[in-house]
Amino acid sequence: DAKTTQPTSMDCAEGRAANLPCNHSTISGNEYVYWYRQIHSQGPQYIIHGLKNNETNEMASLIITEDRKSSTLILPHATLRDTAVYYCIVMSNFGNEKLTFGTGTRLTIIP
Amino acid sequence: GAVVSQHPSRVICKSGTSVKIECRSLDFQATTMFWYRQFPKKSLMLMATSNEGSKATYEQGVEKDKFLINHASLTLSTLTVTSAHPEDSSFYICSAPTLTSGGYTQYFGPGTRLTVL
Repeated sequence: DAKTTQPTSMDCAEGRAANLPCNHSTISGNEYVYWYRQIHSQGPQYIIHGLKNNETNEMASLIITEDRKSSTLILPHATLRDTAVYYCIVMSNFGNEKLTFGTGTRLTIIP
Repeated sequence: GAVVSQHPSRVICKSGTSVKIECRSLDFQATTMFWYRQFPKKSLMLMATSNEGSKATYEQGVEKDKFLINHASLTLSTLTVTSAHPEDSSFYICSAPTLTSGGYTQYFGPGTRLTVL
């Protein structure tokens, strides 16, 4: 079973910041928070991951609460191409660990 | 990021035939690769873990004799759907982990859409 809880769907206006929440209250000390997204009929795309510190890359920012029980993925200026299903996954990063996908959040960017 | 390719991107076959899907890590080596299946409007479901030089590990409920996996090199894993039937029609996706600055990250292929008539 997935160890995360995400809203089923969200809308965001084009050009605005999209904030996608994720709850992972049972996360263990060696587990990271990974975010992927899947655009229709494509393979999942890696976005970002983190352990406890906030992270930022060219795609997004990841904010992890101090207790690590929840996190938020931020797309700073959403475009129509960001419409996708976003998956929050917790796992260790040992390399051979299986990814377990939940239902994710279907983000729709509104023109 | 690292690149994983799949071939073919889509395939249509007759019931009873076998179909081979290739997954390649283009710019890194992977001793482990993963195979997923995704039905319409559903999430990805892990089918099996492909191990270079040894047998694959299958998830519960996945028939190993039907979904043959071969991981013959550090950059190639193949999934063969044997005696395919219409219920095997699905979107098949592979992934491979590679070491990045923040530990291992898995990268996914673009997927293969299989339609069995």
